[in-house]
Amino acid sequence: KAGVTQTPRYLIKTRGQQVTLSCSPISGHRSVSWYQQTPGQGLQFLFEYFSETQRNKGNFPGRFSGRQFSNSRSEMNVSTLELGDSALYLCASSLVDGANVLTFGAGSRLTVL
Amino acid sequence: GQQVMQIPQYQHVQEGEDFTTYCNSSTTLSNIQWYKQRPGGHPVFLIQLVKSGEVKKQKRLTFQFGEAKKNSSLHITATQTTDVGTYFCAGQGGGNKLVFGAGTILRVKS
Repeated sequence: KAGVTQTPRYLIKTRGQQVTLSCSPISGHRSVSWYQQTPGQGLQFLFEYFSETQRNKGNFPGRFSGRQFSNSRSEMNVSTLELGDSALYLCASSLVDGANVLTFGAGSRLTVL
Repeated sequence: GQQVMQIPQYQHVQEGEDFTTYCNSSTTLSNIQWYKQRPGGHPVFLIQLVKSGEVKKQKRLTFQFGEAKKNSSLHITATQTTDVGTYFCAGQGGGNKLVFGAGTILRVKS
C-alpha cells in the first residue's frame, strides 16, 4: 500500500511569491492534516480536511489556505511568502475512526529567500 | 485552548543508559499518541494509549498514560544508537483535534 505522497519535496521561493504544495493520502484515508515544522517551534497544526471540508484550523494567518478534492488529495497554498515561512511542511492522512492516528508524508521543504 | 507540554527538550545519553520523556496536557485527553522522527525524516507513529493508567511495551520502550488521562511518559531502557531522533507526544482532546508536544530530541553517545 502506497504511503502519503507529498510534492514537491524541495522548493525555493522568494519573498512575495506564492506556493502550492500537494498531498496524496493513503488510499482509503479520508482525512488530511497539514503541519508546519521549524527547528524552534516543533509541529504546528495548520488545518485538517475531511470530505472536502475544513474541519479544524490552527492559528496561522489567512495567507495559509488549503483545500481537499473529492479523491481526498489535498493542496495547501501560501501567498505573499515571508522569510519566516521557510519550514518543512508535513501532510498526514488518517482513517476517520475517531482515533486519528496519523501517517505522515516525507514533507515539502520550503526555503524562502 | 488545549496545550501539551513535553520535557525535557533535549537529552544526550551514553549508549546503554535509560531515557524518559514526559508529556503533560492542560486538559483531559481521550487518547495520547507517540511518534518518532529520525534526523532528516518525518514523524512515524509508535503507539496510542486510550485507557486511564494504561501501560504498553514495545521491546525496550514502555509507554504510560496517567490515571487522570492528562499525562504520559515514554521510557527507553538501555538506549541504542538506533534510538536517536525526536520523540513527540500528541494528545487528542475535545473537537477531535490532535495537539503535539514540542518534542524531545534524543542523542546517544556510543
